[in-house]
Amino acid sequence: GAVVSQHPSRVICKSGTSVKIECRSLDFQATTMFWYRQFPKQSLMLMATSNEGSKATYEQGVEKDKFLINHASLTLSTLTVTSAHPEDSSFYICSATGRSIQETQYFGPGTRLLVL
Amino acid sequence: AQSVTQPDIHITVSEGASLELRCNYSYGATPYLFWYVQSPGQGLQLLLKYFSGDTLVQGIKGFEAEFKRSQSSFNLRKPSVHWSDAAEYFCAVQGGNTGKLIFGQGTTLQVKP
Repeated sequence: GAVVSQHPSRVICKSGTSVKIECRSLDFQATTMFWYRQFPKQSLMLMATSNEGSKATYEQGVEKDKFLINHASLTLSTLTVTSAHPEDSSFYICSATGRSIQETQYFGPGTRLLVL
Repeated sequence: AQSVTQPDIHITVSEGASLELRCNYSYGATPYLFWYVQSPGQGLQLLLKYFSGDTLVQGIKGFEAEFKRSQSSFNLRKPSVHWSDAAEYFCAVQGGNTGKLIFGQGTTLQVKP
């Protein structure tokens, strides 16, 4: 149980385009989802927290207009990188938690974004 | 402020040897503590967690961790390492009611044959 999926696993796009990454909880209702960014050989950096049906809470320094987060249902959250630039290239990981798995975050497999 | 320190950036052990990965945390109240493992290019897999109760917790893949309040530590151990254990290991603390995790810098485990 407590499986989280992400799609796509890898995406390459041109500079200036937008990219949408999906995060799904497959076998539980995710009341809260988290989006992280990870640079090579570094730890995870929390970007934002989203609760189902409400606006995401962004961490300091994260541009909310650039990284659009939607958590429209209890099993799906999306992260859209708008007008992507090469410096947005990174590994993006989502995690989810819910009432049935209290306080424990389960992570997706991650999405590798490369902006050319 | 909450923080997590993993003093060892990189550890190499021989296959079959015992392993201990260190984790120290800073948090005002009793924290929720986690160990996750990450293989290259993958997400994080939960190894074990401590919320309360018995301070020695058992996890998956033969791992265990001990919570020591007096030392603000939550070290991860395994009695006999397998080559497949080579990965990145992250200790994390969760505090407050936001559910946010604060991660340590990670420890890279290399296993020698």
